[in-house]
Amino acid sequence: DVKVTQSSRYLVKRTGEKVFLECVQDMDHENMFWYRQDPGLGLRLIYFSYDVKMKEKGDIPEGYSVSREKKERFSLILESASTNQTSMYLCASSFPRADGYTFGSGTRLTVV
Amino acid sequence: QKEVEQNSGPLSVPEGAIASLNCTYSDRGSQSFFWYRQYSGKSPELIMSIYSNGDKEDGRFTAQLNKASQYVSLLIRDSQPSDSATYLCAVNNDGGFKTIFGAGTRLFVKA
Repeated sequence: DVKVTQSSRYLVKRTGEKVFLECVQDMDHENMFWYRQDPGLGLRLIYFSYDVKMKEKGDIPEGYSVSREKKERFSLILESASTNQTSMYLCASSFPRADGYTFGSGTRLTVV
Repeated sequence: QKEVEQNSGPLSVPEGAIASLNCTYSDRGSQSFFWYRQYSGKSPELIMSIYSNGDKEDGRFTAQLNKASQYVSLLIRDSQPSDSATYLCAVNNDGGFKTIFGAGTRLFVKA
């Protein structure tokens, strides 16, 4: 069964901490994405990557960075966590121009 | 104007009825259209994709696309309580790199 695996289901971090969210896919997908999902705001794209070591800003990149050192792994980094980054974070992957995305199970991050 | 618009619902239908979910989009250059189902507390799951005008059927699901009207819909026949979820419409217009999601329609199927 093909999968996108996110390292943590729930995380609680303190304001100002550096936070790493990991995502690994086993489908040999070129494209990988990080979204956050908030009630009433839907899914918003933070960053995406279409190849190893390549990254592109999405709609809300401020306060985040990403790393893609290997094709199967895409990491989201919160440089200095703030309470307004409390959210559900969803990783997704796809082939280029393919039939939609496969999502990971999500990480619910709470910043206190 | 939101790029992908959906009625937030909730849409309530009785078991066995047809549920009709609608979505409009603003970019006429959009090429790919998707419906995702998201159960409460879970991540979205792709259930339908459609690329050309007309209908596409998969089991109890039918996706309909009208590019002239910039309109996508999802019909669920013989609705079951297990279909109760939020349905996200998604539109892609740059070859797969960025997909715009609607905020979703909550569907309740009453037993």
